[in-house]
Amino acid sequence: SQKIEQNSEALNIQEGKTATLTCNYTNYSPAYLQWYRQDPGRGPVFLLLIRENEKEKRKERLKVTFDTTLKQSLFHITASQPADSATYLCALLNDYKLSFGAGTTVTVRA
Amino acid sequence: KAGVTQTPRYLIKTRGQQVTLSCSPISGHRSVSWYQQTPGQGLQFLFEYFSETQRNKGNFPGRFSGRQFSNSRSEMNVSTLELGDSALYLCASSSDTGNYGYTFGSGTRLTVV
Repeated sequence: SQKIEQNSEALNIQEGKTATLTCNYTNYSPAYLQWYRQDPGRGPVFLLLIRENEKEKRKERLKVTFDTTLKQSLFHITASQPADSATYLCALLNDYKLSFGAGTTVTVRA
Repeated sequence: KAGVTQTPRYLIKTRGQQVTLSCSPISGHRSVSWYQQTPGQGLQFLFEYFSETQRNKGNFPGRFSGRQFSNSRSEMNVSTLELGDSALYLCASSSDTGNYGYTFGSGTRLTVV
């Protein structure tokens, strides 16, 4: 069966450090992998999308890598700030349907 | 431009009742998807519509239905509500295929008592 796993439920880091989140998937052959941020009681907010033929994508302090051989994506938040505290979700798009991982809750300590 | 608008924001219903939730997508977006979010199951796909046609449907019972209107606005309906239907229902819109990301609304929090 298809699975999307985000390795950590929670990640606590010091302000200024880099947070690294992992997303692994099985039994998918995604053309696109997306990352979202969700704050409590709100809908997810789209952050970044990476295509299967792209190894890395950057947007401001965010960086995403995509390794289709390992079936893994890494999401990095550099120079983290308390405002980055949220739940981060990876999602695979297939046939107009997003399948989400359970999410990793990041807490950045000042 | 205005985001995805979902109404109502909160809803309390009794078991056995039915409920209709509404979603207005971003202007110009013709694809509307619905998701259910619960603490135990996370985000689960319900269905997706494009130009009034359902293109995909998740593994939910037939009590869950949806439709899309010609102006791209969408509604979802849940009949014969059960306690387990209590969840945050999220609507998302995109331009076409979703290959450029989805914009989610703030959701409707449904509580079934």
